[in-house]
Amino acid sequence: RKEVEQDPGPFNVPEGATVAFNCTYSNSASQSFFWYRQDCRKEPKLLMSVYSSGNEDGRFTAQLNRASQYISLLIRDSKLSDSATYLCVVRSGGYQKVTFGTGTKLQVIP
Amino acid sequence: GAVVSQHPSRVICKSGTSVKIECRSLDFQATTMFWYRQFPKKSLMLMATSNEGSKATYEQGVEKDKFLINHASLTLSTLTVTSAHPEDSSFYICSGGGLTDTQYFGPGTRLTVL
Repeated sequence: RKEVEQDPGPFNVPEGATVAFNCTYSNSASQSFFWYRQDCRKEPKLLMSVYSSGNEDGRFTAQLNRASQYISLLIRDSKLSDSATYLCVVRSGGYQKVTFGTGTKLQVIP
Repeated sequence: GAVVSQHPSRVICKSGTSVKIECRSLDFQATTMFWYRQFPKKSLMLMATSNEGSKATYEQGVEKDKFLINHASLTLSTLTVTSAHPEDSSFYICSGGGLTDTQYFGPGTRLTVL
């Protein structure tokens, strides 16, 4: 089983739609969780951290379920500019080593 | 957020030559930096963890003699691809963290080996 797993997609959604991505992780001792966004041929950029209580940033909502070992990202009112690959990132251990999921590709269609 | 720079952004070289990529943290000190490789349409794969003042820790399957990592200061890590071959052509990205868990990524270096 991979350490971090994501549905690669692509998810093709119309503008204005709501879309959700899930990510599962295998290490129950994982400590920190993040969603990154990566545009084509660019480096990943932090979208948001994921907290146990869940957190929201504008149209984006992230949630963590430690019991089931998954995190989710919800995007409301999708924009064309949201088209990108969304990477689930999990940090484990006493230092900052992180593990990436394979990414979920989102394409928002006009 | 914190800034990480990489140089060069793009390099084309002949097979058999060595290429050095620099990764600098511009506004924070990084005792640990990470080097990733990303092939087209694939996920980032961690190659090695670069530790300031000590040897790098390589992931399984990554040849330490081929990918030389030096982390001589708290703001600079270098990756040297020795005797590069076409299969080494890839997008190489470094990252570093400051005082928080967040990783900040360099803009990447696109290596093409002819």
